[in-house]
Amino acid sequence: DTGVSQDPRHKITKRGQNVTFRCDPISEHNRLYWYRQTLGQGPEFLTYFQNEAQLEKSRLLSDRFSAERPKGSFSTLEIQRTEQGDSAMYLCASSFDPRGGYTFGSGTRLTVV
Amino acid sequence: TQLLEQSPQFLSIQEGENLTVYCNSSSVFSSLQWYRQEPGEGPVLLVTVVTGGEVKKLKRLTFQFGDARKDSSLHITAAQPGDTGLYLCAGPDAGNNRKLIWGLGTSLAVNP
Repeated sequence: DTGVSQDPRHKITKRGQNVTFRCDPISEHNRLYWYRQTLGQGPEFLTYFQNEAQLEKSRLLSDRFSAERPKGSFSTLEIQRTEQGDSAMYLCASSFDPRGGYTFGSGTRLTVV
Repeated sequence: TQLLEQSPQFLSIQEGENLTVYCNSSSVFSSLQWYRQEPGEGPVLLVTVVTGGEVKKLKRLTFQFGDARKDSSLHITAAQPGDTGLYLCAGPDAGNNRKLIWGLGTSLAVNP
């Protein structure tokens, strides 16, 4: 297992288009998190899965954002009708016990033009 | 609301110097984690401190958890350019330990 993988690493899209990101967590980790990070800020929580169940979704997320983890393995994050304010680094992390820390992927850098 | 405040926000030093960065809160945390993030990459976990007063060493990095578990520090001895990055502290949200509360980070630049 080579860690948490995210695809793509970079995405440039026009405003109004839909985008989808993929995350493959560490296989032994049953917890998966999506975060968003903008320059100069710490990671901002978006949503959390335990196995295939989405247990929490940030109130900051609009209805344009949706995430799935259909078989409790990989996860996807979709943003519909992208806006310039969606431009950010989208980070995926997984853990077995969050008290022990998270393993992050390298992130997907989204630029909306 | 639990907050983690990190200081300084920015630090630029010469290779070989020592430095300390801080992570402070008015709230008690069950544990604190330190991460280092390089530009364009995700954060990488360096250490987790759990016990008040705990000191952990990772080569030239020394992490300390305050006795009251409200603060932590990271000391780097003889900094090297490879130490350059954003240092983030994070701790479990007491009201929802599925989530971490994050500081804004200390951006460190070590100049050769």
